[in-house]
Amino acid sequence: DIVLTQSPALAVSLGQRATISCRASESVRSSMHWYQQKSGQQPKLLIYGASNLASGVPARFSGSGSGTDFTFTIDPVEADDIATYYCQQSRNDPYTFGAGTKLELK
Amino acid sequence: EVQLVESGGGLVQPGRSLKLSCLASGFTFSNYGMNWIRQAPGKGLEWVASISSSSSYIYYADTVKGRFTISRDNAKNTLYLQMTSLRSEDTALYYCARHYYSGDFDYWGQGVMVTVSS
Repeated sequence: DIVLTQSPALAVSLGQRATISCRASESVRSSMHWYQQKSGQQPKLLIYGASNLASGVPARFSGSGSGTDFTFTIDPVEADDIATYYCQQSRNDPYTFGAGTKLELK
Repeated sequence: EVQLVESGGGLVQPGRSLKLSCLASGFTFSNYGMNWIRQAPGKGLEWVASISSSSSYIYYADTVKGRFTISRDNAKNTLYLQMTSLRSEDTALYYCARHYYSGDFDYWGQGVMVTVSS
């Protein structure tokens, strides 16, 4: 199985840039997707195919990368962005998720 | 508006069975693959099972293979997950999610809780 590694947490100030990384144990090409999960809610798709913004998602969110190294960025961070962010790969079965990065306010 | 509404969760003893349902609306259900994804309390997301639009292709996570069965009824716009031989480690919030062609899960239900405990 492909293992996705994310940092557990990131502290950021409002109005600043937040960058979350996801490293895959083998190449997933561009088959990487990013989700936001707020407390008590279901996950929400933000980025698909490494860099494509999902419908209705603000342009403050962006994604980049290919192969094994991927980056998810929020710029600028707003209070409503406090959540846990997960990466997910669909290159190989079984589809796997990273452990999540909890975005916290500094 | 796409909606996915799960039901059928609850408290069940180890070794017993439970069947989850997910009623879909707002899109042509028969055109999309569907998935079950779970989240243990305070933990991350774990993909459980997937089924293609016509039920031709079915996949399971190793952790549930042989115990869980995913199925769908396109006439009823409903996805199912039959869970047998339940274990305490199956305790989780179970989400149904639509599978987009790019491999992501573009819509999720609100989830249904399954608690396995004696």
